[in-house]
Amino acid sequence: LAKTTQPISMDSYEGQEVNITCSHNNIATNDYITWYQQFPSQGPRFIIQGYKTKVTNEVASLFIPADRKSSTLSLPRVSLSDTAVYYCLVVPEGFQKLVFGTGTRLLVSP
Amino acid sequence: EPEVTQTPSHQVTQMGQEVILRCVPISNHLYFYWYRQILGQKVEFLVSFYNNEISEKSEIFDDQFSVERPDGSNFTLKIRSTKLEDSAMYFCASSATGSYYGYTFGSGTRLTVV
Repeated sequence: LAKTTQPISMDSYEGQEVNITCSHNNIATNDYITWYQQFPSQGPRFIIQGYKTKVTNEVASLFIPADRKSSTLSLPRVSLSDTAVYYCLVVPEGFQKLVFGTGTRLLVSP
Repeated sequence: EPEVTQTPSHQVTQMGQEVILRCVPISNHLYFYWYRQILGQKVEFLVSFYNNEISEKSEIFDDQFSVERPDGSNFTLKIRSTKLEDSAMYFCASSATGSYYGYTFGSGTRLTVV
């Protein structure tokens, strides 16, 4: 499995855009990039997934450059409720288990 | 939005006792999982279950652990003889297709072994 590296923590203010970058230099051809969010004392929640270029949903955008060695999760106009841990995962297609790292702890302040 | 329901939300048990953690997966899902998270540590995979059998398990999932889908709606994790180090949040998850994309996690059971 490709190893992922992301910042341990980030701080932001309400209304700002937050970009969390994850590096995955050893990503394989059949790997997908998936991001999960976890609030304290809750289970992880799927945010977004992509293979290459840009993916956008109602919650976030995911930018993946052509070499796929990194990805950036973009959260537009964060609010206090976006304070959470964000996990970047690289998952082979069809792989059943998720391998979580330590994630990025995002703190949004007023 | 459909949910994975876990009960109880918090369980305290004495070392050496057996505990059963219960989960009700989303009704049309076919793949079921247990993960755990020791306080302050990573979320760790324990076991995946499909078609009434274990499809994959981690090295954590030793002989003291077992899973069961007793009645077509519940999915249980049994720990036969709890140890202090089993204290953790236990998360159940389910998926319709077995793909990481479709995982829905429950809110967890906090197990405290004293």
